[in-house]
Amino acid sequence: AQSVTQLGSHVSVSEGALVLLRCNYSSSVPPYLFWYVQYPNQGLQLLLKYTTGATLVKGINGFEAEFKKSETSFHLTKPSAHMSDAAEYFCAVSGRGTGANNLFFGTGTRLTVIP
Amino acid sequence: KAGVTQTPRYLIKTRGQQVTLSCSPISGHRSVSWYQQTPGQGLQFLFEYFSETQRNKGNFPGRFSGRQFSNSRSEMNVSTLELGDSALYLCASSLQLGGYTFGSGTRLTVV
Repeated sequence: AQSVTQLGSHVSVSEGALVLLRCNYSSSVPPYLFWYVQYPNQGLQLLLKYTTGATLVKGINGFEAEFKKSETSFHLTKPSAHMSDAAEYFCAVSGRGTGANNLFFGTGTRLTVIP
Repeated sequence: KAGVTQTPRYLIKTRGQQVTLSCSPISGHRSVSWYQQTPGQGLQFLFEYFSETQRNKGNFPGRFSGRQFSNSRSEMNVSTLELGDSALYLCASSLQLGGYTFGSGTRLTVV
């Protein structure tokens, strides 16, 4: 079974400051891991994903995440926050090799960027 | 290339009615999955279709059903609507495991 825990339902940062959104996962099989962003009244946009290979994954809009198996974590970071980063962020996991092609989502973290 | 298209974007229905939502996946994507998003329960998996067959199902009552056509387009149906069915319904298409592209969703309001 797979599950995701996102620590902090709300995170506020100043414009230009580091963004750190935390995600821990549980999976009985090697996971695929994802970060999605959702703007108001929109669907989910993929920021980045980890499937295999390099554990530091770079995504769109300057975001990156590192898969740490020993810590079962996949935290999302961005060196310098921009006002346009204000949105809700979801971490998700799916189980590689399970034959099940569905995502398990965390409860989301709402990011506020303070000018 | 065109993304995932969901229609309609907004829908208002009365309790007890039924509703059908449509999803057109990215060309070439054979897997279509559906999710329900509510403030209380978050994002929950409904079901997944691949090559016209339901391959996986979440924990929702039988009032929620779906199907997929030979061109990979998918529909989901909710019968006997309840107030709690008010939600954003999201469709995602993918090429097997590891890549999911979401549509903009259908916002269903049950009154």
